[in-house]
Amino acid sequence: EPEVTQTPSHQVTQMGQEVILRCVPISNHLYFYWYRQILGQKVEFLVSFYNNEISEKSEIFDDQFSVERPDGSNFTLKIRSTKLEDSAMYFCASSVGQGARNIQYFGAGTRLSVL
Amino acid sequence: AQSVTQLDSHVSVSEGTPVLLRCNYSSSYSPSLFWYVQHPNKGLQLLLKYTSAATLVKGINGFEAEFKKSETSFHLTKPSAHMSDAAEYFCVVSDQQAGTALIFGKGTTLSVSS
Repeated sequence: EPEVTQTPSHQVTQMGQEVILRCVPISNHLYFYWYRQILGQKVEFLVSFYNNEISEKSEIFDDQFSVERPDGSNFTLKIRSTKLEDSAMYFCASSVGQGARNIQYFGAGTRLSVL
Repeated sequence: AQSVTQLDSHVSVSEGTPVLLRCNYSSSYSPSLFWYVQHPNKGLQLLLKYTSAATLVKGINGFEAEFKKSETSFHLTKPSAHMSDAAEYFCVVSDQQAGTALIFGKGTTLSVSS
């Protein structure tokens, strides 16, 4: 069964460093998403992406975050200058279409630890 | 604004006994509701979804959920728990009017003892 793949599974970085989290969505999907879950808190929506543009973003997704689809398969989340509070599990998801009726398929997540 | 409340952070059951994971939602419009499950080191897997068709929804692995608009609830049940059901369960709401973002509950950890 096709699945969303995220790498690395765990990323450790120093505060102030840039990190790039990588995702390979399911191949025929057109909509891509990033969510995060800070330890002990809810999974929160960050951003959705379609046709090489951000289609929706939350207030968490500020200027330190960016997303890109650099080639036909990868979808990346960049955090420019990491802060301690960026430590979280980051989930990538993809769907065929948009809207509530379309299932979003999730990867296993990347655990980001900022020291 | 949409929100989801999972009433129990942790539920413990014995193998072979029924499972009930409770979820209440708030949505301004007609919501779509989902239950996702996460096993350790695995992605979030869709268990079942409600999108305004039948109110009793059957999912994978013997789970089902009933949409009750009057109670704004979408509780997840299973008649007989199995050891492999031990995982984190998330109730999720999405609102077609509000865009593509999924709104998650805090999650319920299900423990199953033999």
